[in-house]
Amino acid sequence: EVQLLESGGGLVQPGASLRLSCAASGFTFSSKGMSWVRQAPGKGLEYVSTITATTATTFYADSVKGRFAISRDTSKNTLFLQMNSLRAEDTAVYYCARNVGSNWKYYFDYWGQGTLVTVSS
Amino acid sequence: EILLTQSPVTLSLSAGERATLSCRASQSVSSSYLAWYQQKPGQAPRLLIYGASSRATGIPDRFSGSGSGTDFTLTISRLEPEDFAVYYCQHYATSPPWTFGQGTKVEIK
Repeated sequence: EVQLLESGGGLVQPGASLRLSCAASGFTFSSKGMSWVRQAPGKGLEYVSTITATTATTFYADSVKGRFAISRDTSKNTLFLQMNSLRAEDTAVYYCARNVGSNWKYYFDYWGQGTLVTVSS
Repeated sequence: EILLTQSPVTLSLSAGERATLSCRASQSVSSSYLAWYQQKPGQAPRLLIYGASSRATGIPDRFSGSGSGTDFTLTISRLEPEDFAVYYCQHYATSPPWTFGQGTKVEIK
């Protein structure tokens, strides 16, 4: 059974940093691209970032480019999102999701339960 | 960037009725690279449909997707109590960022 379990969320002040983790199990983690998608309170889904399986190529939404960094540790089956210079508008539930597709055309077949990040003074 | 507009924002129906949800793209979505997700309160999204019309594993056949180009539809043939939720479409026709529609809430009338 595929499982994705996020952790690392919490309450931080503007300008602070936070590192999210997503522990994966039930599939060959090294062979799947992964993404982060967020959802602000009461709002819709917003794509954040992707890392591919084999080359670890990354992509970021403009809203987080230069502040967030996605990475993966295949030895620990874990996906990360390093978030720096956090802003109030980054407040959201952050979901990790498994990519399906090829050639940078991906949808998401499994999602974690999410971790809440709140940026407030 | 392809923008997706879903309509209606809210759909009020009774169990047993048919639900028709629309997702319109700002430009053509090539090869029907469109997915639909269901999200219940406090839960993660769940994949329903990919490739505009293919049901994901374990999804009941009362859910169906159709459409091409710029106009796509999710149909729930007969609403079950567990189907009342928010539904999102997502395109993946181009390199990222892949965008989501703003969602349609299917609520109990």
